[in-house]
Amino acid sequence: ELKVEQNPLFLSMQEGKNYTIYCNYSTTSDRLYWYRQDPGKSLESLFVLLSNGAVKQEGRLMASLDTKARLSTLHITAAVHDLSATYFCAVDASGTYKYIFGTGTRLKVLA
Amino acid sequence: DAGITQSPRHKVTETGTPVTLRCHQTENHRYMYWYRQDPGHGLRLIHYSYGVKDTDKGEVSDGYSVSRSKTEDFLLTLESATSSQTSVYFCAISERLGLAGARGSNTGELFFGEGSRLTVL
Repeated sequence: ELKVEQNPLFLSMQEGKNYTIYCNYSTTSDRLYWYRQDPGKSLESLFVLLSNGAVKQEGRLMASLDTKARLSTLHITAAVHDLSATYFCAVDASGTYKYIFGTGTRLKVLA
Repeated sequence: DAGITQSPRHKVTETGTPVTLRCHQTENHRYMYWYRQDPGHGLRLIHYSYGVKDTDKGEVSDGYSVSRSKTEDFLLTLESATSSQTSVYFCAISERLGLAGARGSNTGELFFGEGSRLTVL
């Protein structure tokens, strides 16, 4: 059974700092997705990672995938307040289109 | 935005009553999902569908049933609601990886509805 773990669960950081969120999963998969959720809102897609070594960047966020280590990272560079949200990773269970989510990382960027 | 509509958006009901949540899509996507979101648990998959009349269980399917009689509609039913089913329910859709679509080649990503907040008293 696929398990997806994220850490940290909570992250409070100062503006301008860098940090990384980690997403580990338990079974073979080469499809991983990152989503953002603002309080009281739905989830929106951030990154799609479909192969080993995939790297995607959008603004101050960069996501990468290492399928051999079963690890994805979401790196935040020079954080700004607008990045405050909850971030989720989701993994497709071996190509079944059955997506399992991590528990989420609640990020708060302090001005 | 993906055309996904959930109804009702808010519902308060009493323990033991049946509840049905509806998810309607206008994207003609093959896959549809029901998740629940609770503090400390993230999103947990309840059931999903990989085609009309084709469904499968997710992580937390006990106490829930689903039906998909048309491509565009996916219903989630709580036969006898309990307080532990108080939650925010999200519907999502996706399409097969690489399949050509209106927005280009599909990436398999999920598109979510706005959520349905259910309170069981």
